[in-house]
Order: sequence, then C-alpha cells, then structure tokens
Amino acid sequence: DAGITQSPRYKITETGRQVTLMCHQTWSHSYMFWYRQDLGHGLRLIYYSAAADITDKGEVPDGYVVSRSKTENFPLTLESATRSQTSVYFCASSAGYTGELFFGEGSRLTVL
Amino acid sequence: GENVEQHPSTLSVQEGDSAVIKCTYSDSASNYFPWYKQELGKRPQLIIDIRSNVGEKKDQRIAVTLNKTAKHFSLHITETQPEDSAVYFCAAGSGGGADGLTFGKGTHLIIQP
Repeated sequence: DAGITQSPRYKITETGRQVTLMCHQTWSHSYMFWYRQDLGHGLRLIYYSAAADITDKGEVPDGYVVSRSKTENFPLTLESATRSQTSVYFCASSAGYTGELFFGEGSRLTVL
Repeated sequence: GENVEQHPSTLSVQEGDSAVIKCTYSDSASNYFPWYKQELGKRPQLIIDIRSNVGEKKDQRIAVTLNKTAKHFSLHITETQPEDSAVYFCAAGSGGGADGLTFGKGTHLIIQP
C-alpha cells in the first residue's frame, strides 16, 4: 500500500520556468491539500480539493494552479516560478470525516 | 480567516521532565484541533487531536487540553524521552478539518540528556 506519494522529491529550476509537482494517493480519500513549509512560517495552505473537479484557494494561492481530474491525483503547477516559491511542498489527503491529514514525503523545490 | 499563534518557538527540557506547548486561535467556528510531530527531514504526522465537545484527551504520555471560551489549547508531554525531540505543530480547523487546517508556526522541542 503506497499511501500518498509525491514526485519529484527534489527539483531545481530557474526563474520563469513552469514546474509541476505531482501527488498521488491510493486511499480514495475525498480531500486533498497542498501546503508549503518555510522556516518561520510553518505550514501554509496553498489549495485544497474536496472531490474531483472541485478545488478551492487556501491562504497563499497566488502563482499556483491546481487541477483534480481524478480522485487519486492532485498536481500543483507553478506557471512561472519565482525565487520566493523556493520551499518544501507537502501534499496531504484526508477522508474528511476524521479530519486527520496524511502527508506525503514532501517535494523540495529550489528556484534559482 | 483563522489565525493560529503557537508558543514557544523553541523549548528545551531535561529528559524526564514535562513539556508544554500552547496555541491560541481566532475563529470561534473552529472545532477541530490536531497536533502534528515532524522529525527532521520527515513528513508531519498526527500525534493527537481534540474536538470542541471535549475538554481534555490523553494518550499515554501526551495530552491535549482545550479551552473554547479562551480560544486556546495546549499539548502536554510528560516523562520526555530523546525520541520526543522534533518540531511540533498545532492546527485549527472546522468541518472536521476537511476544509483545510491552519497551522501554527511550530515549536522545536529539544530534549537534553
């Protein structure tokens, strides 16, 4: 049982390039989330999705795009990467009724 | 939106002593308050949670208390051990957390031998 997986785990890119971070879960959880983690800021919600084709903005959505065509996948795209988007990105899923978030291993993104 | 404040940012205790981390929240609609532990280089993992209809919850050496009137909740770890060293995050949310959680900035707990 793979659970929730993210790819790539590490990515270095340049300012202005498009980057997509992938997230896949095998539990059929309805809810999926993208958080970014930065020193001094904790975990901040970027986008979340309650079901396929339903997405909503979180606290820091600017510069990011998400889609959810299938329940198990929730990719996060940086359309034109900026240095301020250098961060560790965590995908998470939840069955909803418990509230517990299950996090992926994280994707460390560096924008030069 | 919700705002969660967490204190202290760093906490150093002697092995065997107790540790207390405190959080306050702003949105009275929040009804779900989990605590996550994150070891260095790892993903955050849930260690305990409490809902608004409960004042206290215990699980072996860890406990969480909630004061809805004052809008604060705390994590208590007793008989601390080296493996308790980690960053701890509190969070608050509504709808059972299904609409996303707002996290505090984290507390780095250091257990001194």
